[in-house]
Amino acid sequence: EVQLVESGGALVPPGRSLRLSCAASGFTFDEYAMHWVRQAPGKGLEWVSGISWNSGTIGYADSVKGRFTISRDNAKNSLYLEMNSLRAEDTALYYCAKAGCSSISCYKNIWGQGTMVTVSS
Amino acid sequence: DIVMTQSPDSLAVSLGERATISCKSSQSVLHSSNNRNYLAWYQQKPGQPPKLLIYWASTRESGVPDRFSGSGSGTDFTLTISSLQAEDVAVYYCQQYFSTPFTFGPGTKVDIK
Repeated sequence: EVQLVESGGALVPPGRSLRLSCAASGFTFDEYAMHWVRQAPGKGLEWVSGISWNSGTIGYADSVKGRFTISRDNAKNSLYLEMNSLRAEDTALYYCAKAGCSSISCYKNIWGQGTMVTVSS
Repeated sequence: DIVMTQSPDSLAVSLGERATISCKSSQSVLHSSNNRNYLAWYQQKPGQPPKLLIYWASTRESGVPDRFSGSGSGTDFTLTISSLQAEDVAVYYCQQYFSTPFTFGPGTKVDIK
């Protein structure tokens, strides 16, 4: 069964850092691009970042550029999101999503259940 | 950045009737190299992650009922539910994956009339 399981979400004060992880199983992880998408409470979907199969192409939303870093470890079938200088507006449910292609310019065909990040003092 | 808009914001349709959602992009998402529209549709039910319905603007994802169809090209796209079922109550999002940032539309909420 194809599965994505996010972890690392927490309640943190503004300015702190947090690292999210996504454990993948049931598919050949190193053949597909991966993404992070977030959803603030009661709001719509916002694409955060994407990484190609070999980490050769990476993209970020303007709202997180310079603060967030996406990475992957194909040997561990894992995707990560390092989040620094967190702000209240980063509060959201963070989804890990598998792309249908090796390139980041692709649809997302598998989604995890999400991990909640709350930024508040 | 490519801005995605959707209309209507919400709609209520009787069971068995057609539901139509429009999605427009601020610039074309048709790639000239492969003649593909980099546009996907997702369905999100309360408390659940999004689910892929349609990709490349008109290709139905495996397992998605054939009452869901996507059409359009360039900047104008449509998601059609040909005969609304109770389980189709959800919010529907379009997303362009033509260029970063890969923007989503604001969503359209579909309910039963």
